[in-house]
Amino acid sequence: DGGITQSPKYLFRKEGQNVTLSCEQNLNHDAMYWYRQDPGQGLRLIYYSQIVNDFQKGDIAEGYSVSREKKESFPLTVTSAQKNPTAFYLCASRPGSSSYNEQFFGPGTRLTVL
Amino acid sequence: AQSVTQLDSQVPVFEEAPVELRCNYSSSVSVYLFWYVQYPNQGLQLLLKYLSGSTLVKGINGFEAEFNKSQTSFHLRKPSVHISDTAEYFCAVLFSKTSYDKVIFGPGTSLSVIP
Repeated sequence: DGGITQSPKYLFRKEGQNVTLSCEQNLNHDAMYWYRQDPGQGLRLIYYSQIVNDFQKGDIAEGYSVSREKKESFPLTVTSAQKNPTAFYLCASRPGSSSYNEQFFGPGTRLTVL
Repeated sequence: AQSVTQLDSQVPVFEEAPVELRCNYSSSVSVYLFWYVQYPNQGLQLLLKYLSGSTLVKGINGFEAEFNKSQTSFHLRKPSVHISDTAEYFCAVLFSKTSYDKVIFGPGTSLSVIP
């Protein structure tokens, strides 16, 4: 079955540690996205990538980093510079053939900083 | 500025009653409109989308939405809700003619269906 996988589902981190969230898709989609979800605030865009080896900052990129070495993979690193990293993180992908295609979402990773 | 508003943060409704979840946006450019549903601790799933053509759009699970350009709204409706419809609902707007087709999500509406 085609889809987007995120791992792990739950992640705990001590303050000052970097942590990497995995996102893999086998939909052959060109574009991939990372969102952060906090209660009552909807989804906020962290980073996005439209092609391999290229990515752009979203609205809240500070304290995060990404890479896009393969079309199917778009890992997100939450660095110690992120002041309030506890949140639900969602990865999404979208076909690049048409600008108005909807996004497909992964199941999410809940990150808790202890 | 481009924005998406969902005025109702929480909507309680009795089972088998109708429901309307409101979505308004502000934009001076063409838009494409989406409604997503999110069940607890899961990702988002597309309910329906409006790209062009008929302003009444039908989606999955018996939901429908109507695009009103003059009122810049895209309200979601269901004539008879079920317990399984309890979830968070997000309106999303794709503003065209921007640098990368930016999607903006509303803050979400939590629908609680009461038995």
